[in-house]
Amino acid sequence: DTGVSQDPRHKITKRGQNVTFRCDPISEHNRLYWYRQTLGQGPEFLTYFQNEAQLEKSRLLSDRFSAERPKGSFSTLEIQRTEQGDSAMYLCASSRGQFNEKLFFGSGTQLSVL
Amino acid sequence: QQQVKQSPQSLIVQKGGISIINCAYENTAFDYFPWYQQFPGKGPALLIAIRPDVSEKKEGRFTISFNKSAKQFSLHIMDSQPGDSATYFCAARKVNYGGSQGNLIFGKGTKLSVKP
Repeated sequence: DTGVSQDPRHKITKRGQNVTFRCDPISEHNRLYWYRQTLGQGPEFLTYFQNEAQLEKSRLLSDRFSAERPKGSFSTLEIQRTEQGDSAMYLCASSRGQFNEKLFFGSGTQLSVL
Repeated sequence: QQQVKQSPQSLIVQKGGISIINCAYENTAFDYFPWYQQFPGKGPALLIAIRPDVSEKKEGRFTISFNKSAKQFSLHIMDSQPGDSATYFCAARKVNYGGSQGNLIFGKGTKLSVKP
């Protein structure tokens, strides 16, 4: 396992701009998750994919957020019209299958909205 | 609504001591309870996990104690070392219809400092 890779590691943007993050899961992991973590809090679930299908989205996920996993490999998370409240660490995780419990997390993308 | 409540928020322990972190949950449909360890600038990493049909699980210096009737579980770190200084998160997951795993719900975390 080479690990979950996220890019970029850091992103600074101005309020109102769009940003996109990329996640490359561990190869052969067919489940991919996006979480958001703010300072002093635990990771908060955003959405997850089984292969290319997006199976669940958090009710907390604004319609400014969209995620894709077009070929069941890497995934992108886009935030449109960013707000200061979007500032957080965005974590990606993957797991081997729908009945495999162990999630492997990437190091995250730290977003700062000015 | 906070489905997994974790305490304490921070913990200072002397080297060689025992660190104890507690979590309580509300949803009886949860069926899997992991603990994650996170160092600054890194993503969480799975430390140890337990299912509700077992009351205790031990891996090296790390032990989970599980009390199903009380809906509580705890992490014990024996012989705590400075290298254990990190933030620890408990989590819980419920099974989806059809038996596949759902998403993890995390506690707010405990920042552990082990003093040399």
